Amino acid sequence: DTGVSQDPRHKITKRGQNVTFRCDPISEHNRLYWYRQTLGQGPEFLTYFQNEAQLEKSRLLSDRFSAERPKGSFSTLEIQRTEQGDSAMYLCASSLASGIRYFGPGTRLTVT
Amino acid sequence: GENVEQHPSTLSVQEGDSAVIKCTYSDSASNYFPWYKQELGKRPQLIIDIRSNVGEKKDQRIAVTLNKTAKHFSLHITETQPEDSAVYVCAASQNEKLTFGTGTRLTIIP
Repeated sequence: DTGVSQDPRHKITKRGQNVTFRCDPISEHNRLYWYRQTLGQGPEFLTYFQNEAQLEKSRLLSDRFSAERPKGSFSTLEIQRTEQGDSAMYLCASSLASGIRYFGPGTRLTVT
Repeated sequence: GENVEQHPSTLSVQEGDSAVIKCTYSDSASNYFPWYKQELGKRPQLIIDIRSNVGEKKDQRIAVTLNKTAKHFSLHITETQPEDSAVYVCAASQNEKLTFGTGTRLTIIP
């Protein structure tokens, strides 16, 4: 499968726990994006990377959120001290330059 | 920042009829306008996109029109089929930060 992949697909965690999600972009894509989507809404931009550099972060990305793309390939998104409001679908997308963004299947996070 | 509004939120059309979904944007600098189809619980998939240097783009039964003066763009689906039932989400950007609308749930009535 040469598309964008995300792991895990589902995560249930208790409030206060830390969680980490992984995204593997399409191999030649240098740009990687993280979005969050709640029910009935369109995706909301969180952050993006060009290669290993994190170039923009949304105000939605509080201090509890951190994202990395250490070698310019896969990326991780960590949420510390999860809150119930963090429950959402976390989508990753990748693109070549400013081309079409291809989305992964998402990680559905449920905080209980 | 950019703000994208999408209407209607739900739309039901008879199979074979046309469906039109409209989006407005606020940032006149936006120059890229994609439309995504998202089936329940699945990833958004690009169905068509348009850049600001053209006013219309068509791909078989799907077309997008752009009015830069009025800052709105529309998705047109002709000869609708049951498999067109899904949520359609528009977006606008002039840089890497794609701003999405809230989506339209399209239902095709057989």
